[in-house]
Amino acid sequence: KAGVTQTPRYLIKTRGQQVTLSCSPISGHRSVSWYQQTPGQGLQFLFEYFSETQRNKGNFPGRFSGRQFSNSRSEMNVSTLELGDSALYLCASSSTPTDSYNGYTFGSGTRLTVV
Amino acid sequence: GDSVTQMEGPVTLSEEAFLTINCTYTATGYPSLFWYVQYPGEGLQLLLKATKADDKGSNKGFEATYRKETTSFHLEKGSVQVSDSAVYFCALEGRASGTYKYIFGTGTRLKVLA
Repeated sequence: KAGVTQTPRYLIKTRGQQVTLSCSPISGHRSVSWYQQTPGQGLQFLFEYFSETQRNKGNFPGRFSGRQFSNSRSEMNVSTLELGDSALYLCASSSTPTDSYNGYTFGSGTRLTVV
Repeated sequence: GDSVTQMEGPVTLSEEAFLTINCTYTATGYPSLFWYVQYPGEGLQLLLKATKADDKGSNKGFEATYRKETTSFHLEKGSVQVSDSAVYFCALEGRASGTYKYIFGTGTRLKVLA
């Protein structure tokens, strides 16, 4: 079955703009989590969605938001981009939140560069 | 709060050498422990996992044992190959960790030379 699909793979934006990233989980998976990966901070949890509801949220400013649709696809949005938002954004899916003890399946990520 | 500490990299080895990447954790309760691998330009892939004390996870020649007494989950491989060159992340799933679902270590870059 198809893996976790993230689009776009690469994105270049200007400071102050906003951006929307998309994640389609594995078919049948209903839990989607987002992570930001940077060389300095490593992997940091952004948020988790299950059945269109945000279940957990990490310590990121309100400029970072997300949502999940009825088909389990998820989007995350970053408004008023800052240079420090440049990162690899990773999406991970599992069938349910409690199934994450089996491990996540990650997408290849979206590389966002803010100039 | 929960945390994961793994050894600094990069680790450079010759092909067929023995690999150990150290990982220790701090957690409330009994977390599940994982090793993920990230190849260049890709996302993370689950390498192996252990869900309770003394469990041994294994995959593709890699092994790690959940040691509760030493709060460790060290990754080992008896004979590395060039294709094992990647970044390895130790992680825990802390069910009592507040808003955090997974805690990842900072990653250890492995470079294997032919």
